[in-house]
Amino acid sequence: AQTVTQSQPEMSVQEAETVTLSCTYDTSENNYYLFWYKQPPSRQMILVIRQEAYKQQNATENRFSVNFQKAAKSFSLKISDSQLGDTAMYFCAFSDFGNEKLTFGTGTRLTIIP
Amino acid sequence: DVKVTQSSRYLVKRTGEKVFLECVQDMDHENMFWYRQDPGLGLRLIYFSYDVKMKEKGDIPEGYSVSREKKERFSLILESASTNQTSMYLCASNSLGRSPLFGQGTRLTVV
Repeated sequence: AQTVTQSQPEMSVQEAETVTLSCTYDTSENNYYLFWYKQPPSRQMILVIRQEAYKQQNATENRFSVNFQKAAKSFSLKISDSQLGDTAMYFCAFSDFGNEKLTFGTGTRLTIIP
Repeated sequence: DVKVTQSSRYLVKRTGEKVFLECVQDMDHENMFWYRQDPGLGLRLIYFSYDVKMKEKGDIPEGYSVSREKKERFSLILESASTNQTSMYLCASNSLGRSPLFGQGTRLTVV
């Protein structure tokens, strides 16, 4: 069974700084997807970024980028120029290629300090 | 704007009641999911459906059942609600290979 581990329950950073959230996972599969979802106080889960395991290039979406290390089974999220609106719970998630079920980590609560 | 809509944001039910949580998506997605979210545990899969009338148990199906009579609608049923089912419930949907989209969540309290 796949597992996803987020070892940082809470983090805080000053506005405009850069922050990195950690995620590790365990799988015996070679093809899979990795995701970061954001859940602000409104509770709406929002997709931040997605990485396909077969792609060597790290995914980026504006201020959000990932560091995907397949051999180490590590998938960290970097938020650059952090903004107050980035305050949220962040969940790392995994799904097998062809199996649509997501396995989630326990989340990291990120607070951006003005 | 594409959407996954859950019928209630907040629900309060009594122990032993039969509870229905409804989810509707307007994107013609084949797959629909019900997750439960608890502090410190992340999201855990209760059930998912990959087609009309098709369903598969997730990691924590005990005490729950589901119904998918139409492609756009996926219902979660608590046959006899108990206090340990007090939680946040999230519905999601996707098509094969696409990232799941989530509803806004239903916070259920069982008293």
